[in-house]
Amino acid sequence: KAGVTQTPRYLIKTRGQQVTLSCSPISGHRSVSWYQQTPGQGLQFLFEYFSETQRNKGNFPGRFSGRQFSNSRSEMNVSTLELGDSALYLCASSLGQGARSPLHFGNGTRLTVT
Amino acid sequence: GESVGLHLPTLSVQEGDNSIINCAYSNSASDYFIWYKQESGKGPQFIIDIRSNMDKRQGQRVTVLLNKTVKHLSLQIAATQPGDSAVYFCAENDNTGNQFYFGTGTSLTVIP
Repeated sequence: KAGVTQTPRYLIKTRGQQVTLSCSPISGHRSVSWYQQTPGQGLQFLFEYFSETQRNKGNFPGRFSGRQFSNSRSEMNVSTLELGDSALYLCASSLGQGARSPLHFGNGTRLTVT
Repeated sequence: GESVGLHLPTLSVQEGDNSIINCAYSNSASDYFIWYKQESGKGPQFIIDIRSNMDKRQGQRVTVLLNKTVKHLSLQIAATQPGDSAVYFCAENDNTGNQFYFGTGTSLTVIP
């Protein structure tokens, strides 16, 4: 089974721009979560989608948004980029229903804001 | 202010020795725990999980121990190999949603 795929692997953007990151979950997984990883804050939860609905949201500003499509693929968008948004953005998928199951992560998108 | 990098606990072990990585959690309502391994340039990789109705679970060369009384989790790696060198995270979930809370991580270095 193919793992979680994130594209692109690397991005360099300028302050004020916006960016869209993409995630394809493991086949059969209906839950997709996004995490931000930085040296200063570690892994921080952004949001989780299940069946195209946002089920849970972390403590990030409204500039961070996401969506999920009917095939479970997900995108996250960051508008009006700030230098502090530089981070590794990780997508994780899980079955999402019934007994809790582990998150399976992709290799992330490394975003650098200059 | 200027952000300061997390000070990762580090552990160095000799190849072939056993490793023990510890994690303390604070939420007494957490009842599902996972250990992840993250190698440089990759995302966290699932190692093993445990639910709160158990206090021990074994996998291939790994054992997770859960002590709910003191809110402590540990990961034991038997016969540590150079390929085990990575950062290890514990993650907890309290069944209020699918959000997991991650520890700061421990950097394991295996000395050949």
